[in-house]
Amino acid sequence: ETGVTQSPTHLIKTRGQQVTLRCSSQSGHNTVSWYQQALGQGPQFIFQYYREEENGRGNFPPRFSGLQFPNYSSELNVNALELDDSALYLCASSLQGGSYEQYFGPGTRLTVT
Amino acid sequence: AQKVTQAQTEISVVEKEDVTLDCVYETRDTTYYLFWYKQPPSGELVFLIRRNSFDEQNEISGRYSWNFQKSTSSFNFTITASQVVDSAVYFCALSASYDYKLSFGAGTTVTVRA
Repeated sequence: ETGVTQSPTHLIKTRGQQVTLRCSSQSGHNTVSWYQQALGQGPQFIFQYYREEENGRGNFPPRFSGLQFPNYSSELNVNALELDDSALYLCASSLQGGSYEQYFGPGTRLTVT
Repeated sequence: AQKVTQAQTEISVVEKEDVTLDCVYETRDTTYYLFWYKQPPSGELVFLIRRNSFDEQNEISGRYSWNFQKSTSSFNFTITASQVVDSAVYFCALSASYDYKLSFGAGTTVTVRA
C-alpha cells in the first residue's frame, strides 16, 4: 500500500510569486485535505476535496485554491505569496470526511522571502 | 465551533519515565471524533488513534494508552516507560461527525533524555 506523497519537499519563493504544491493520496482514498502548519503551531485546515469537488474550506483567502484529479491526487495553488505564507504544507488523504482517519504526507516546506 | 486545548507546551522526561499528555476539547456536537497524532522531527504527522464520542472505553496499545472522559471533555494520552524514539510533538485533534476537517491543538513537545 502506497502512502501519501508530496512534492516538492522544499521550496523557496519570492513575495508576490505563485506556487503549486502536489499530493498523491494513499491507495484507496478518495478525499484529500490540505493543512498549513506555521512554525510551533498546530496544523490549520485549508480545504478538502472529495471526488474532484471542494468539500469544505477553512479561513483562508481565495488566493489559496486547489484541484483534485480523477486519480484523487491534488494540487494546492497559492497566488501572490506573502511572507506569512511561509509554513509546512501538509496533505492528508482519507476515506470521505473528517470522521475517518486522515493519513498525512511528509509535507512541503515553503519559504517566502 | 470546535476547540482543542493542549495546555502543556513542553514536557521533558528521562528514559523509562511515564509521561501523560493532556487534551481538553470543546464542542457542541453530540457525535464527534478525537484523534492523537505524533509529529517526529521529520515533520510527517503519524496517526496514533481515533476515538468516537460514544466509546468511552480506555484503550491500550503497547506502551501507549488513552483515557477518554466525556464528563470532563478530556482525552489524555500516556506513554509508559518512555524511550528516546518517543521524542516528538504530539497533537490532539477533534472532528465532528458531519465535518470535513480536523481541528488541532497547539501540540505538546515531548523530549525523552537517555
